[in-house]
Amino acid sequence: GQNIDQPTEMTATEGAIVQINCTYQTSGFNGLFWYQQHAGEAPTFLSYNVLDGLEEKGRFSSFLSRSKGYSYLLLKELQMKDSASYLCAAPTGGGNKLTFGTGTQLKVEL
Amino acid sequence: ETGVTQSPTHLIKTRGQQVTLRCSSQSGHNTVSWYQQALGQGPQFIFQYYREEENGRGNFPPRFSGLQFPNYSSELNVNALELDDSALYLCASSPDSQNTEAFFGQGTRLTVV
Repeated sequence: GQNIDQPTEMTATEGAIVQINCTYQTSGFNGLFWYQQHAGEAPTFLSYNVLDGLEEKGRFSSFLSRSKGYSYLLLKELQMKDSASYLCAAPTGGGNKLTFGTGTQLKVEL
Repeated sequence: ETGVTQSPTHLIKTRGQQVTLRCSSQSGHNTVSWYQQALGQGPQFIFQYYREEENGRGNFPPRFSGLQFPNYSSELNVNALELDDSALYLCASSPDSQNTEAFFGQGTRLTVV
């Protein structure tokens, strides 16, 4: 099975950098996803890591260490609109059946 | 906009009733997954349909059932509703069952009273 852990809440300042961590235990590894979800809206895809290392996409980067069962999402130059829940997820049994963590609620303040 | 549409957007039902939720997948996608998201929690996988057949199921009781139609749209049916079934129900559409991309609809907010 899958077990995914991430912090419940984080607060950061506009313009700053924030790192949201995710640890996972899986019976078979098939990559790790990060999704963003604004209140009352659908989750939207941010990143997918299957190999170790850092992948950068504009202000957002995602890191994976398979040996440590660890990933993080890095958000730079924070904006107020980045206030949202950030969900870490891993495929179960391959493909796109996803097991999600509880989500990290990020609040960006002035 | 992901091209995945769900209906209705909001619904209130009484305990013991039955409910049907609908999802239209993105054009060209043959795989639909359903998730239940309780308040303050991450989505929980209910089941997946691939080319009209169930292709995996999460830890949900049999009163949660589904269908996928030839046009790849899908329904989620829940019988004998319980108060704990109150949640946001999300549908995710994918090009196929192994593709890593999954595009979520806006969800249906179900309240059971």
